[in-house]
Amino acid sequence: DAGVIQSPRHEVTEMGQEVTLRCKPISGHDYLFWYRQTMMRGLELLIYFNNNVPIDDSGMPEDRFSAKMPNASFSTLKIQPSEPRDSAVYFCASSLVYNEQFFGPGTRLTVL
Amino acid sequence: KQEVTQIPAALSVPEGENLVLNCSFTDSAIYNLQWFRQDPGKGLTSLLLIQSSQREQTSGRLNASLDKSSGRSTLYIAASQPGDSATYLCAATAYNDYKLSFGAGTTVTVRA
Repeated sequence: DAGVIQSPRHEVTEMGQEVTLRCKPISGHDYLFWYRQTMMRGLELLIYFNNNVPIDDSGMPEDRFSAKMPNASFSTLKIQPSEPRDSAVYFCASSLVYNEQFFGPGTRLTVL
Repeated sequence: KQEVTQIPAALSVPEGENLVLNCSFTDSAIYNLQWFRQDPGKGLTSLLLIQSSQREQTSGRLNASLDKSSGRSTLYIAASQPGDSATYLCAATAYNDYKLSFGAGTTVTVRA
């Protein structure tokens, strides 16, 4: 298996632009997670899905952030409009229920 | 709210020395605890998963122990090598949901 796949790996955008991050989980995994990592706050869980259904989005910082999982093999995290404070590394992870979480390589987002 | 602490934040040892990394958590009602490795600019690699019913888990030179009553887990790395240099993070899964709470990590440098 190729592992969790994320795209793009790097994204540089200007403040106010829409940003879409993509994730393909490991085939057969029924949980998908979106995290954000910054030096100041470490790793934070933003939202997670079970069988394509959002279960907990309490970590989403504000309404500018949204996430979808239209099918078992694809999820997106969208920021609209983006702000400089959104600059971070965004990770996607997947797992089977109550098992190891496997992380993707991350998307490094820079908002100018 | 689960708080996960890792002390020290950084550690430097000569090659061949055994490494002992500490992780403490405030809420003992965890489902499992996972140890990860993160190389600079990379994603997280799962090292070991300890279920709450287990006391320890081993993989090669790595051994992780779990003491729920005291809220502690320890990762031992035997005969350290320069290739072990990385940041090691522990994360606890809450019993009542599926959220991972991460520590800030311990950055390890193994000197040749």
